[in-house]
Amino acid sequence: QKEVEQDPGPLSVPEGAIVSLNCTYSNSAFQYFMWYRQYSRKGPELLMYTYSSGNKEDGRFTAQVDKSSKYISLFIRDSQPSDSATYLCAMSANTGNQFYFGTGTSLTVIP
Amino acid sequence: GAVVSQHPSWVICKSGTSVKIECRSLDFQATTMFWYRQFPKQSLMLMATSNEGSKATYEQGVEKDKFLINHASLTLSTLTVTSAHPEDSSFYICSASPAGGPSGELFFGEGSRLTVL
Repeated sequence: QKEVEQDPGPLSVPEGAIVSLNCTYSNSAFQYFMWYRQYSRKGPELLMYTYSSGNKEDGRFTAQVDKSSKYISLFIRDSQPSDSATYLCAMSANTGNQFYFGTGTSLTVIP
Repeated sequence: GAVVSQHPSWVICKSGTSVKIECRSLDFQATTMFWYRQFPKQSLMLMATSNEGSKATYEQGVEKDKFLINHASLTLSTLTVTSAHPEDSSFYICSASPAGGPSGELFFGEGSRLTVL
């Protein structure tokens, strides 16, 4: 079983839709959770960073972490064509410098 | 957010030559940097973990003599692809975690596209 599971998509939504992206994980030691956005031929850009459980909101983006279910989500409200990219989830445990990534979900927002 | 810079962003070289890619943390110190390889429409593949002042730790299947990593300072790590061949053509990305910061923060460079002719 992979440490982190993420549906690769592709996911297509109309402009203005609410997008839900999800990852599940198996290691209960993970404490730090991140979402990255990667445009084609660019490095991943850190979108959201969350420690432990709970919600975090930044503009149109909301990150949720449910440690009891080992499940994290990223919601994008009022999606825009410029949101079209691959979204990667990542996480790490309390110690060490190891980071675990999902495979990425390809999102297309159709004007 | 913190900035990680990679250079060059795109390089074309002849088969058999060596290519050096630099990864710099511009506004923080990084005791650990990571190097990844990414093929089109695929996820990141961790190649090695670069530790300042010590030897890099390579992932299984990655040739350490082929991909030389040097982390001479807290803000610079380099990846040298030695005797490059067309199959080494790929997108190489580095990342860095701020020293002394929360262990979960990780910032990526813009990536370097290598094309070996």
